[in-house]
Amino acid sequence: QKEVEQNSGPLSVPEGAIASLNCTYSDRGSQSFFWYRQYSGKSPELIMFIYSNGDKEDGRFTAQLNKASQYVSLLIRDSQPSDSATYLCAVSGSARQLTFGSGTQLTVLP
Amino acid sequence: DVKVTQSSRYLVKRTGEKVFLECVQDMDHENMFWYRQDPGLGLRLIYFSYDVKMKEKGDIPEGYSVSREKKERFSLILESASTNQTSMYLCASSLIGLAEAFFGQGTRLTVV
Repeated sequence: QKEVEQNSGPLSVPEGAIASLNCTYSDRGSQSFFWYRQYSGKSPELIMFIYSNGDKEDGRFTAQLNKASQYVSLLIRDSQPSDSATYLCAVSGSARQLTFGSGTQLTVLP
Repeated sequence: DVKVTQSSRYLVKRTGEKVFLECVQDMDHENMFWYRQDPGLGLRLIYFSYDVKMKEKGDIPEGYSVSREKKERFSLILESASTNQTSMYLCASSLIGLAEAFFGQGTRLTVV
């Protein structure tokens, strides 16, 4: 059984701080890694994806991948109250199916 | 923008009813998926399809079936609804060879 683990939180950070979200996965054959944001009552929205080891930056978001340690993280710089949501980590292998973690609830305090 | 549309936002059905959840995507995506989402369990894959008339079981297919007669439409069928199928159901689609999935707005199904 492929597993994706996330700390469920809740994680609270003050406005303007860096929020750090972590995810580990069990399948060493995993090839693609995704971060989805889900607001309460809404469907997941893709915000970042990463395929190679290292960092990938997009605006205030940075995804980090370490395949040797089987973890992927998401950093949100200058966190805003509008970033308050549940963040889902998802992992895909050769079969192109996504396996999701249970999500980390983030609250950014004004 | 990719548009994935689910036919209903909220549904209330009785135990034993046959339930159809419809999903349509307008971006010519080959892959379509049905997930359910429950608190503390995350998203779990029920069924997926890589092509018309093709279907594959996901992690929790029991009690469900699917139909894909046209490329843009993927239907989830609950043959005999039970209370443990009360959940949020999410449809998603993606291009062939890519795993980035785009989700519909979700259907909150309550079985009473």
